[in-house]
Amino acid sequence: DTGVSQDPRHKITKRGQNVTFRCDPISEHNRLYWYRQTLGQGPEFLTYFQNEAQLEKSRLLSDRFSAERPKGSFSTLEIQRTEQGDSAMYLCASRPTGTTEAFFGQGTRLTVV
Amino acid sequence: AQSVTQLGSHVSVSEGALVLLRCNYSSSVPPYLFWYVQYPNQGLQLLLKYTTGATLVKGINGFEAEFKKSETSFHLTKPSAHMSDAAEYFCAVSERNNNDMRFGAGTRLTVKP
Repeated sequence: DTGVSQDPRHKITKRGQNVTFRCDPISEHNRLYWYRQTLGQGPEFLTYFQNEAQLEKSRLLSDRFSAERPKGSFSTLEIQRTEQGDSAMYLCASRPTGTTEAFFGQGTRLTVV
Repeated sequence: AQSVTQLGSHVSVSEGALVLLRCNYSSSVPPYLFWYVQYPNQGLQLLLKYTTGATLVKGINGFEAEFKKSETSFHLTKPSAHMSDAAEYFCAVSERNNNDMRFGAGTRLTVKP
């Protein structure tokens, strides 16, 4: 499978715990995006990488959230001290420079109890 | 900043009937426009996109959309609905000089037998 891969698909965690999600983009896609999608809403932009550089962050990305993309390959999104409001689907997308189409992974559904 | 409004959070049609999902956008510069489909617990799949050129865009699964600059609209249509079209549909806009794709809240399409 050469699509965008996200792991895990589902995560249940207790409030206050830290969680980390991983995204493997399509190889050679140098742009990588993270979105958050809550029930009944469209995806909301969180952050964007070009290669290993994090070029843009939404105000939605509070100081409890951090994202990395070491070596410009896979990316991780960490949420510290999770809150119930963090419960959502976290989507990753990638695309090559010079194109307009972003390819999405299947998402990681986070439930904070 | 760009934004998208999708009129109607739920649309219900009978199998074989016309599908019309409405999208209006706001952008300060010429936009790129997209329609994505999402099935339950899945990521987003691109149906079609408008970048430049012909304003009537054909996509997968028999869907098409027309970019109307004067109306700032990009409505999605399909002449004859199929049961397999039941899903959530998202309109998105991206300004050509930035990387932030903004999504509408989505329209849930139900197809009745």
